[in-house]
Amino acid sequence: SQTIHQWPATLVQPVGSPLSLECTVEGTSNPNLYWYRQAAGRGLQLLFYSVGIGQISSEVPQNLSASRPQDRQFILSSKKLLLSDSGFYLCAWTRDSNNNEQFFGPGTRLTVL
Amino acid sequence: DQQVKQNSPSLSVQEGRISILNCDYTNSMFDYFLWYKKYPAEGPTFLISISSIKDKNEDGRFTVFLNKSAKHLSLHIVPSQPGDSAVYFCAAKEVGSQGNLIFGKGTKLSVKP
Repeated sequence: SQTIHQWPATLVQPVGSPLSLECTVEGTSNPNLYWYRQAAGRGLQLLFYSVGIGQISSEVPQNLSASRPQDRQFILSSKKLLLSDSGFYLCAWTRDSNNNEQFFGPGTRLTVL
Repeated sequence: DQQVKQNSPSLSVQEGRISILNCDYTNSMFDYFLWYKKYPAEGPTFLISISSIKDKNEDGRFTVFLNKSAKHLSLHIVPSQPGDSAVYFCAAKEVGSQGNLIFGKGTKLSVKP
């Protein structure tokens, strides 16, 4: 069966510090991968998606970037965090673009102070 | 401009009764709709979905209804149980997209014993 992991589970970082969140998927190959953010009192906002290694699409302009160095690894990064980057970050996968159901990881709670 | 709207931020229901969660959308190009359930500090879990070519899909206690002319869908949970208490997100996928989902802001359901 497929599983999706995210770490760390929680993170407290000062403003201006770098960020690296990792997501890995097991039990499948060449998945589509997604990064979402849930800010306080808001829904899930799609940040990035990837249909293959090295292929990244950004949905919204922001202070963050994403990379996919391996087939089942998706990384969310920032060089300098802002207060507004605080939120709950979720990684999701789906088998391919023809599959509609996305499966989410447990999430990372990021607090920027 | 929100393409997927959940206008009720919260809903309280008595155990054993029906819970009805509503969702409206504006984009005529959406061809697939999903409902996710989310507990605090966890990733969303997929509940049920419906294709735009259908008007109803049922899975156990959960039924989703789609009214394309009104651009409205609803999730019915019957009978409601205390374990159903969670935030429910409506999501939609646009035809031809890379599987990207657009989420509503969620409705917090509380089922009281």
